[in-house]
Amino acid sequence: QKEVEQNSGPLSVPEGAIASLNCTYSDRVSQSFFWYRQYSGKSPELIMSIYSNGDKEDGRFTAQLNKASQYVSLLIRDSQPSDSATYLCAVYGNNRLAFGKGNQVVVIP
Amino acid sequence: NAGVTQTPKFQVLKTGQSMTLQCAQDMNHNSMYWYRQDPGMGLRLIYYSASEGTTDKGEVPNGYNVSRLNKREFSLRLESAAPSQTSVYFCAIIKREYEQYFGPGTRLTVT
Repeated sequence: QKEVEQNSGPLSVPEGAIASLNCTYSDRVSQSFFWYRQYSGKSPELIMSIYSNGDKEDGRFTAQLNKASQYVSLLIRDSQPSDSATYLCAVYGNNRLAFGKGNQVVVIP
Repeated sequence: NAGVTQTPKFQVLKTGQSMTLQCAQDMNHNSMYWYRQDPGMGLRLIYYSASEGTTDKGEVPNGYNVSRLNKREFSLRLESAAPSQTSVYFCAIIKREYEQYFGPGTRLTVT
């Protein structure tokens, strides 16, 4: 089993809709969880961090963490064309971040 | 890019050539990292340095060496480049609470 899995294929959402991304992880002792956004040809950019169970909201982004089920999710509300990017889930443990392969989001105007 | 600079931005090498990728931070953070990113493979850790003078292997260290001579700089060296090392290389630092910030990247092609 991979450390961090993002299984969904490319996600197309209409402008103004909610985009939902999911991520599961294998290491039960992980305590720190992150979502990165990466535009084509650019470096990953940290958009959300979450450390305890529940929801964390920042603008149009909401991260959700469930440690018992070992999953992290990201909701993007009121999706905009500028949200079109690849979103990477990352989990910190053993002095390093483990990344998922990412999910591409395409917001259709 | 959060105070992390990388040089060069682009590089083309022939098989067997050597080169060093440079990374520097303008803050005082201890931990620095080197990743490579390939299509379909995601970000993979090559080496990291938890503090000045220390380095540790990541997932894919073969074919690379690193040097952390001071707190500010962390370099990645390819001694004999191979086509399999064609990739985008990112340097990163950790700030508070394990939040990692990336440099702009180096796009390397080995022919």
